[in-house]
Amino acid sequence: DVVMTQSPLSLPVTLGQPASISCRSSQSLVYSDGNTYLNWFQQRPGQSPRRLIYKVSNRDSGVPDRFSGSGSGTDFTLKISRVEAEDVGVYYCMQGTHGPPHTFGQGTKLEIK
Amino acid sequence: EVQLLESGGDLVQPGGSLRLSCAASGFTFSSYAMIWVRQAPGKGLEWVSAISNSGGSTYYADSVKGRFTISRDNSKNTVYLQMNSLRAEDTAVYYCAVNWNGDYWGQGTLVTVSS
Repeated sequence: DVVMTQSPLSLPVTLGQPASISCRSSQSLVYSDGNTYLNWFQQRPGQSPRRLIYKVSNRDSGVPDRFSGSGSGTDFTLKISRVEAEDVGVYYCMQGTHGPPHTFGQGTKLEIK
Repeated sequence: EVQLLESGGDLVQPGGSLRLSCAASGFTFSSYAMIWVRQAPGKGLEWVSAISNSGGSTYYADSVKGRFTISRDNSKNTVYLQMNSLRAEDTAVYYCAVNWNGDYWGQGTLVTVSS
């Protein structure tokens, strides 16, 4: 199975400052159709996960534009331009290219410093 | 509005069985694959199982293969997860989600395996 490795696992950020989370895959996530199925999810405390980004850089409906995704091949990044209090939670990357089974990263816990 | 409502979670003894249900609304259920993902207490997300839109293809994580069975009833807009030979390590909140890449998620149902 493809291994997804996130860093850092803990991310203290000052309100209004940017944040960045890295996700690396053990294999290229480019699918045979040319798309790269790399997703980002947010899980706020006590809530179920919610997808923020699909196919590397496409924001889901209702996701603020301070969230952006980038990357290619095996290296991907989720960026928050200016962290707000409601962004506290755990962020996961997930690959949907190889398998099923599909695989998640370990999660990155974002907290306010 | 897409809604997913999981049910069926409970306290069960090791070796026991449970069937989880996920009732869907707000989209054309029969057009989408469905997945189950679980989260053990204080842990990360683990992909568990998936089923194609027709039900003709099913997939499982190695950790549940041979013990869990996913199915769906497109006439009832519901996907199921039959869990047999349950182990303590199956204790988790189980979420259903729409599509291979988890477009929308339910609120989850708690399964506790303990004597």
